[in-house]
Amino acid sequence: QSVLTQPPSASGTPGQRVTISCSGSSANIGSNTVNWYQQLPGTAPKLLIYNNNQRPSGVPDRFSGSKSGTSASLAISGLQSEDEADYYCSAWDDSLNGWVFGGGTKLTVL
Amino acid sequence: QLQLQESGPGLVKPSETLSLTCTVAGGSTSSSTYYWGWIRQPPGKGLEWIGSIHYSGSMYYNPSLKSRVTMSLDTSKNQFSLNLSSVTAADTAVYYCARKTVGASNPFDSWGQGILVTVSS
Repeated sequence: QSVLTQPPSASGTPGQRVTISCSGSSANIGSNTVNWYQQLPGTAPKLLIYNNNQRPSGVPDRFSGSKSGTSASLAISGLQSEDEADYYCSAWDDSLNGWVFGGGTKLTVL
Repeated sequence: QLQLQESGPGLVKPSETLSLTCTVAGGSTSSSTYYWGWIRQPPGKGLEWIGSIHYSGSMYYNPSLKSRVTMSLDTSKNQFSLNLSSVTAADTAVYYCARKTVGASNPFDSWGQGILVTVSS
């Protein structure tokens, strides 16, 4: 059981916009920033979004993040086949004094 | 460009200690700017943070693993290590080493490719 809650799956067709939610509590998302990681099949996770809505260099602007209260969202617009991957949200948890992750969302491009 | 590479046994017996090393290239483990961490992923499951260590000696461990985890840093070899004691089948996972910038919410921005460790007799 993950501390942060994500839907196990999401899907969309090429060109569509999809969103993935991440729900937490006042101890984590409510008081700290959220990061998102993309894990392509068979590879290590890669930082996708940090500080709620910032993109590292090289990440397309099709990817965006937002946060409100104790929840966060990752949006992917202009969906492409290469976006098919697992996506994880993460935040520091003040109660656990450690990093927590969501259970991951498997994105399928139909 | 920073590169992280995990190494260690791919098979560990139950009740023994899992020991892994992460070798850093293109960066320095003696930098005060970064924490160095371990994250694991059981087959087909999600990510679990294990712990993080800083050059100063500051360390943070996952409370659920704290009693079994020891992390260390060898600046002369530009490496950091993980020891996980009394392993069981539940510790079977891909183990990743990673780097994060100092600062409460700064993310893990560089990851190693991961190493699969299986716990089995």
